[in-house]
Amino acid sequence: DGGITQSPKYLFRKEGQNVTLSCEQNLNHDAMYWYRQDPGQGLRLIYYSQIVNDFQKGDIAEGYSVSREKKESFPLTVTSAQKNPTAFYLCASSLSRLYNNEQFFGPGTRLTVL
Amino acid sequence: KNEVEQSPQNLTAQEGEFITINCSYSVGISALHWLQQHPGGGIVSLFMLSSGKKKHGRLIATINIQEKHSSLHITASHPRDSAVYICAVRSGSGSQGNLIFGKGTKLSVKP
Repeated sequence: DGGITQSPKYLFRKEGQNVTLSCEQNLNHDAMYWYRQDPGQGLRLIYYSQIVNDFQKGDIAEGYSVSREKKESFPLTVTSAQKNPTAFYLCASSLSRLYNNEQFFGPGTRLTVL
Repeated sequence: KNEVEQSPQNLTAQEGEFITINCSYSVGISALHWLQQHPGGGIVSLFMLSSGKKKHGRLIATINIQEKHSSLHITASHPRDSAVYICAVRSGSGSQGNLIFGKGTKLSVKP
């Protein structure tokens, strides 16, 4: 089955620790995205990648880092510099960012920093 | 002011009712998306519109570009339709802008 997987579904970390969220897709999509969702707010874009070895900052990139070494994978690291990391994180992919392609979303990872 | 506004924020309906969720936006767009988020958090794309109307099963989405407004209609609603419905617009006249998301409308359909 084609789709996007994110792991783990729930993640708990102590304050001050870096944590990496996994996102893998087997849809052969060029573009991948990371969004953050907070209660009562719309999704906000953290980072996106249009192609392997390329990524761009979104609206709220501070305190986060990404890599895109393989087409299938776009991991997100939440660093200790992120002031309020507790949130629901969604990964998405699309065929290309250059056109109005549908975005496919993963199931999300709920990160809680204690 | 948010660039994408949805109304209502919360909506409770009885099974079988006709439901309308509204989305207004203040920026120029190249496309508008309607998404469905289930209680577990996963998001599914329902429609992508740049003009007119689209229908899929009991769901209908319309857009009025001049009025900067879109509606999502659900006919013969069912408890399995209970979810958060999210409107998102791709800003700009081209297609390279990022998506801007509304805060969502939480729908609960009672049996």
